Amino acid sequence: DAGVIQSPRHEVTEMGQEVTLRCKLISGHNSLFWYRQTMMRGLELLIYFNNNVPIDDSGMPEDRFSAKMPNASFSTLKIQPSEPRDSAVYFCASILTGAPTAFFGQGTRLTVV
Amino acid sequence: AQTVTQSQPEMSVQEAETVTLSCTYDTSESDYYLFWYKQPPSRQMILVIRQEAYKQQNATENRFSVNFQKAAKSFSLKISDSQLGDAAMYFCAYRSGNAGNMLTFGGGTRLMVKP
Repeated sequence: DAGVIQSPRHEVTEMGQEVTLRCKLISGHNSLFWYRQTMMRGLELLIYFNNNVPIDDSGMPEDRFSAKMPNASFSTLKIQPSEPRDSAVYFCASILTGAPTAFFGQGTRLTVV
Repeated sequence: AQTVTQSQPEMSVQEAETVTLSCTYDTSESDYYLFWYKQPPSRQMILVIRQEAYKQQNATENRFSVNFQKAAKSFSLKISDSQLGDAAMYFCAYRSGNAGNMLTFGGGTRLMVKP
């Protein structure tokens, strides 16, 4: 099993540009979390999907952030327009519903200059 | 809402010695899971160990074991025979036993291993 795959691993972009982060779930998993990690705030949950449906998006910071699950195995997190304070490591994690353990991707380090 | 607290921002241990990382949590639920994740410099979040709240026996995984005190809402991680490769950030996390609940993380403890 390939595990959770995130792309890109690193992204550097200019303020105001659109950024899209991608995540491929583990085959058979049907729940997905997006987390953001910063030194100041630690690991914050942004959004949680179950069976492609957003269940809890209360952590999405602003309207500039949006997330989708167009199919059962893939998700995107989009920031438009990006700002320097969005610089962070973004993780996705997948779970098989009913199972306890979340498996994480390697994260995307986003730098907005 | 559940909260997870790691009171030790940094810990250090001599190679081959034993170290214990602390974690406390707050919940009103009786069915839940607790986890320790390791994050080395590569930033990959790696599951170290999991404890089901309904199990009285403490979980162990090779050199890693937990001390789960349900009444005290405490969940510490013991690393025996510490190795240089154990140096990392360690995060304690809580997940409700009800389907569909997210992981809540503590602030992390940075573990340094001295040769």
